[in-house]
Amino acid sequence: DQQVKQNSPSLSVQEGRISILNCDYTNSMFDYFLWYKKYPAEGPTFLISISSIKDKNEDGRFTVFLNKSAKHLSLHIVPSQPGDSAVYFCAARRAQKLVFGQGTRLTINP
Amino acid sequence: KAGVTQTPRYLIKTRGQQVTLSCSPISGHRSVSWYQQTPGQGLQFLFEYFSETQRNKGNFPGRFSGRQFSNSRSEMNVSTLELGDSALYLCASSERSRPSQSYEQYFGPGTRLTVT
Repeated sequence: DQQVKQNSPSLSVQEGRISILNCDYTNSMFDYFLWYKKYPAEGPTFLISISSIKDKNEDGRFTVFLNKSAKHLSLHIVPSQPGDSAVYFCAARRAQKLVFGQGTRLTINP
Repeated sequence: KAGVTQTPRYLIKTRGQQVTLSCSPISGHRSVSWYQQTPGQGLQFLFEYFSETQRNKGNFPGRFSGRQFSNSRSEMNVSTLELGDSALYLCASSERSRPSQSYEQYFGPGTRLTVT
């Protein structure tokens, strides 16, 4: 039972444009949502999070949007840079446990 | 502060063997979680230890076990290895001092286990 889904395994975006990564979840009991970024041969690194009581959180070039009625969250990266090329995981928290999606590989093209 | 360290980084084992992986969390972090990453499955939660006690457990068979020591270092053991156990095993630590925290976890580089 995949409670957190990232339906796009890969995404390719032009440098300078906006990257939008999507994530859907099924469990309405999740109280926090997080995005992680992973480079090859490294562990995931925390990017940004959002509480379930908010609908937007912004940190520099990264903005996370949460639509609770649709059980959907998205990560916007503006402008996209070559160093943003990585695998992005969304995660949802319930009862001190994180559930991760399968990841989306983002490639930023020059 | 030093980051999360995992040893060994790479491991090759044969079916039926057992393996022990080690994780040293960031100094001061008392919570250690273990994840399995396989292509197409993302990160799947194995278990979490806090102050030497298992606090959460994922849906993995009993062949997967772990423990945490008084210095917060943690080990994960897999017995009777199967081909499907080939994966990247990630360890993450967090302060986990307040439930209201966003539960930001800091990951190690992982141990790549190959079962042949």
